[in-house]
Amino acid sequence: DAGVTQSPTHLIKTRGQQVTLRCSPKSGHDTVSWYQQALGQGPQFIFQYYEEEERQRGNFPDRFSGHQFPNYSSELNVNALLLGDSALYLCASTDEGNTDTQYFGPGTRLTVL
Amino acid sequence: AQSVSQHNHHVILSEAASLELGCNYSYGGTVNLFWYVQYPGQHLQLLLKYFSGDPLVKGIKGFEAEFIKSKFSFNLRKPSVQWSDTAEYFCAVNAMNSGYSTLTFGKGTMLLVSP
Repeated sequence: DAGVTQSPTHLIKTRGQQVTLRCSPKSGHDTVSWYQQALGQGPQFIFQYYEEEERQRGNFPDRFSGHQFPNYSSELNVNALLLGDSALYLCASTDEGNTDTQYFGPGTRLTVL
Repeated sequence: AQSVSQHNHHVILSEAASLELGCNYSYGGTVNLFWYVQYPGQHLQLLLKYFSGDPLVKGIKGFEAEFIKSKFSFNLRKPSVQWSDTAEYFCAVNAMNSGYSTLTFGKGTMLLVSP
């Protein structure tokens, strides 16, 4: 049973660029959430996707956008990168019928220079 | 909006010592509570969770946590730590008013267990 997978593992970008991160949820899961974990901080909720729509959003600017595909996989896009966007980006999945526990992927380490 | 506070950012213990990590949350409604652990180089894993019922919950690897509603607390405990417990521990809360499973995390506590 495959867990949550994310790609790429690491990414280096420069300020002003755009980045796309990818996530495949755990088998059987249909809901995907994205979190940003800055160094020395706990994960912060960015947004959640279900049925290909964003249904809840945290306190992040609209430079952060996402998408969910019919196979439940998801992308996180960040435009106009800032130095402060450097962080570990975590994807978590859950089953809409059993929303009690989220399962996390290994994350994508984004460095903005 | 809910928030989570973890009392200690770093904890250093010797093997066999007892562990208690503090966690307080602020939210007036019904919550689900979680402890996640992140071992070095690994992804976040669920340690234990509380939804309802017995306020003392047991998790993996000998960890347990007690929900005290009057104190808005959910402290993590282990009677005797091992070197392999070295990791970062995160307390998290899911406020039930939204009906959705999204988590608010504390800043984490880095536990270092010396052999």
